[in-house]
Amino acid sequence: DAGVIQSPRHEVTEMGQEVTLRCKPISGHDYLFWYRQTMMRGLELLIYFNNNVPIDDSGMPEDRFSAKMPNASFSTLKIQPSEPRDSAVYFCASSYTQTLSSGNTIYFGEGSWLTVV
Amino acid sequence: DAKTTQPTSMDCAEGRAANLPCNHSTISGNEYVYWYRQIHSQGPQYIIHGLKNNETNEMASLIITEDRKSSTLILPHATLRDTAVYYCIVGRGRGYNKLIFGAGTRLAVHP
Repeated sequence: DAGVIQSPRHEVTEMGQEVTLRCKPISGHDYLFWYRQTMMRGLELLIYFNNNVPIDDSGMPEDRFSAKMPNASFSTLKIQPSEPRDSAVYFCASSYTQTLSSGNTIYFGEGSWLTVV
Repeated sequence: DAKTTQPTSMDCAEGRAANLPCNHSTISGNEYVYWYRQIHSQGPQYIIHGLKNNETNEMASLIITEDRKSSTLILPHATLRDTAVYYCIVGRGRGYNKLIFGAGTRLAVHP
């Protein structure tokens, strides 16, 4: 079973350019998350979706960041315009609402390594 | 969500048990304890979770104190590949997915 798939794995771009990160969640999962990881701030939750609807975007740093989920198998995180301080690893993750009384677990992709110069 | 406190770093000899502690003194009755780990350059990986009973799976064991204010993740026979940052997270269970990661414990397994 394929895990969470992210692309690109690595991207180097110039300041001011638009960056689009892509994610394909695990089939059947109804939650999708975008996290950002930096040395200074650690792993931060940016936004998450449930059934393709954004539920909590309070972690999105500013208006330059936007995320969409047009269908259950695809999501994008866009940065426009990009700045050097956006350099980080961006992780996509997915999960599903379990019917058992046990807790939920989240499955992460391998990340998109973004460098803005 | 309850906050957690973990040591910044720990060392363990290969083949020995690694015991990683976590304090979560403000945990509420419906909150679970989750453990994830992140090996360098990879995405975080789920290890185990529990509510109040001790849990064991193929990766690790989770011991939760009776008052649920602390827990210990046990890797019974640590290998070099277990070198990673280990995150202890508290969050609600069914129907809830918003896991907030702290700084974690950096475990170094040495020969």
